[in-house]
Amino acid sequence: DVKVTQSSRYLVKRTGEKVFLECVQDMDHENMFWYRQDPGLGLRLIYFSYDVKMKEKGDIPEGYSVSREKKERFSLILESASTNQTSMYLCASSRLHSGNTIYFGEGSWLTVV
Amino acid sequence: AQTVTQSQPEMSVQEAETVTLSCTYDTSESDYYLFWYKQPPSRQMILVIRQEAYKQQNATENRFSVNFQKAAKSFSLKISDSQLGDAAMYFCAFYSGGGADGLTFGKGTHLIIQP
Repeated sequence: DVKVTQSSRYLVKRTGEKVFLECVQDMDHENMFWYRQDPGLGLRLIYFSYDVKMKEKGDIPEGYSVSREKKERFSLILESASTNQTSMYLCASSRLHSGNTIYFGEGSWLTVV
Repeated sequence: AQTVTQSQPEMSVQEAETVTLSCTYDTSESDYYLFWYKQPPSRQMILVIRQEAYKQQNATENRFSVNFQKAAKSFSLKISDSQLGDAAMYFCAFYSGGGADGLTFGKGTHLIIQP
């Protein structure tokens, strides 16, 4: 089975802190994604990557950056966390063609106080 | 940009009955993919069913089936013999190509199963 693992399920950070959310997939997928999920807004794409060191902005990249140094690992970085970044963050991966199934991690609940 | 609309924020159904979740989308593309994803309270989202637009036959996976109406741009999910484990958020998604930003999710439908 495909496994997408997000290192932290629940985090509480202070405003202004730098936050790292890590994601690892074990199926050699080319694509990796970071989504943000908020009630009533569904899933919104923050960034995606289709290869090592490659990244593309999604719908809401402001306040976030990403890193993909290895194919299996995709990190989301909040350079200076703010309270409006309190949310559920979902990592996902898929084969290169996005018509293929996307596999999701369990999510990371981030609270910024 | 593509849009995906799930008009039912919440649905409730009695256990063992059938429920249909609606999804409509807007596109000018002729070739695309449609998906239904399920997100149970444990939060890991999993694929329920996938439909390729060029296939006229509706996809089926056990108790889950879709009614794909390409001309109407409608992609509803039917769950037969509802079970307590079907309780979840259900997201409809559309992909038409052009990279990951070609993948669009609806806002979701919260399905409640009444015992």
